Amino acid sequence: AQKVTQAQTEISVVEKEDVTLDCVYETRDTTYYLFWYKQPPSGELVFLIRRNSFDEQNEISGRYSWNFQKSTSSFNFTITASQVVDSAVYFCALSEPGLLNQAGTALIFGKGTTLSVSS
Amino acid sequence: DSGVTQTPKHLITATGQRVTLRCSPRSGDLSVYWYQQSLDQGLQFLIQYYNGEERAKGNILERFSAQQFPDLHSELNLSSLELGDSALYFCASSPQGANEQYFGPGTRLTVT
Repeated sequence: AQKVTQAQTEISVVEKEDVTLDCVYETRDTTYYLFWYKQPPSGELVFLIRRNSFDEQNEISGRYSWNFQKSTSSFNFTITASQVVDSAVYFCALSEPGLLNQAGTALIFGKGTTLSVSS
Repeated sequence: DSGVTQTPKHLITATGQRVTLRCSPRSGDLSVYWYQQSLDQGLQFLIQYYNGEERAKGNILERFSAQQFPDLHSELNLSSLELGDSALYFCASSPQGANEQYFGPGTRLTVT
C-alpha cells in the first residue's frame, strides 16, 4: 500500500532561517510521482512541484529546493531564508502514474507539516 | 488562482440533511477529483471522474455520491449528514496526461 509520512507536525523558525521539511514515502510501484502542496491560512491548496520517480535530479526554484533520494524513499523540501509569507501547512503527496495521455490518479497525502515563520 | 471553481464556499446545515457541492474544472481538464479534509483524517481522496465516467473510488461513504456532467463540471452529493461529515471538501482537476492536480478553494461544510 502507498503511504506518505511527514514526521514533523510543527516547525517554528525565525525569518531568514533555512528550514527543511521531511517527507518519506512507501510504494511498491517502480514508477510513481511525488508532489508538494502548500496550504496557507486562507485554506486553498497550492501546487508547488511534481517529481517523477525516474528523475532524481534536485530542483531549485527561487528560495525553494527539493531533494529526491530514491535510496531512502525521501523527498525533502527546503526553504532558504524563510519569510513570514511562507507560514503555511505543507503537504507531501504520492501518486501512481496515470494511463498514458489520459487520466491521472488520486493523490495520497501525508498529514502535513505546519510551518510558522516569525519576524 | 488555480482556475478550478467551487461553490458554495461555506455551507451550514443540520444533521440528516442533504447538500450538493459543485465544481468546475480548469478549462480543458477532463479529470475531476474530490477530496475531504478533516482534522482527524487529514486529506483523503473520495472519488475521481474522467470525461464523465467514474474512474476511481477512495474512502467515499455510501451516503455520498458524485457525477460529472457533459460540460465537465462535477457535483458531490452528501446525504443523511452526520456531525462527522463536517469538513473542507476540495475539488481538483488535472490536465490530460499529467499527474499534478490543481485544487479549487474548497467548500467548508458545517453540520450542526
